[in-house]
Amino acid sequence: DGGITQSPKYLFRKEGQNVTLSCEQNLNHDAMYWYRQDPGQGLRLIYYSQIVNDFQKGDIAEGYSVSREKKESFPLTVTSAQKNPTAFYLCASSIQKGYEQYFGPGTRLTVT
Amino acid sequence: AQSVTQLDSHVSVSEGTPVLLRCNYSSSYSPSLFWYVQHPNKGLQLLLKYTSAATLVKGINGFEAEFKKSETSFHLTKPSAHMSDAAEYFCVVSEQSNFGNEKLTFGTGTRLTIIP
Repeated sequence: DGGITQSPKYLFRKEGQNVTLSCEQNLNHDAMYWYRQDPGQGLRLIYYSQIVNDFQKGDIAEGYSVSREKKESFPLTVTSAQKNPTAFYLCASSIQKGYEQYFGPGTRLTVT
Repeated sequence: AQSVTQLDSHVSVSEGTPVLLRCNYSSSYSPSLFWYVQHPNKGLQLLLKYTSAATLVKGINGFEAEFKKSETSFHLTKPSAHMSDAAEYFCVVSEQSNFGNEKLTFGTGTRLTIIP
């Protein structure tokens, strides 16, 4: 089965802790993306990566960090600097930037 | 700068009746347009895409959309709603500028409810 996996589905953390969300794809896609979704809003881009060892900030990168050491993996770290981390986080990939994106099932992060 | 406006935040239709979800966009260049569907607590699934070929685009599950440049619209339709169509729908615009930059902009979503 080809696709994008995100783990875990639900994640709970205490305020002040860093947390890393996993995203893996076996579609052989070059580009990968992280989005944040809040109720009643569209998706907002956090970071994206066009190739291995390269990534760029999206619209709301503050308080987040990423790495792209392998083509199939693009983990997102939500740091304690992120003021409102509770949200639904979606990872996506595409053959290249500009082509349609395929989404993972998402991780719902709750920080208390 | 590009933008997307989904004109209705919530649409309710009876099962078996037509569905219309409205989307208007603005773009400085020739855009690509997409519709995605999201079921509760799930990722987004691509329904259909327009990339400057035929203006009437057919997608999965009986959905289709028509690109109307003069009206800057890309409305999503389906002739007969099914209970399984109940979900959130997102209209997305992607434009490729002459400088090689590309960006996806998502609408705020339309929640479709199907009445039995």
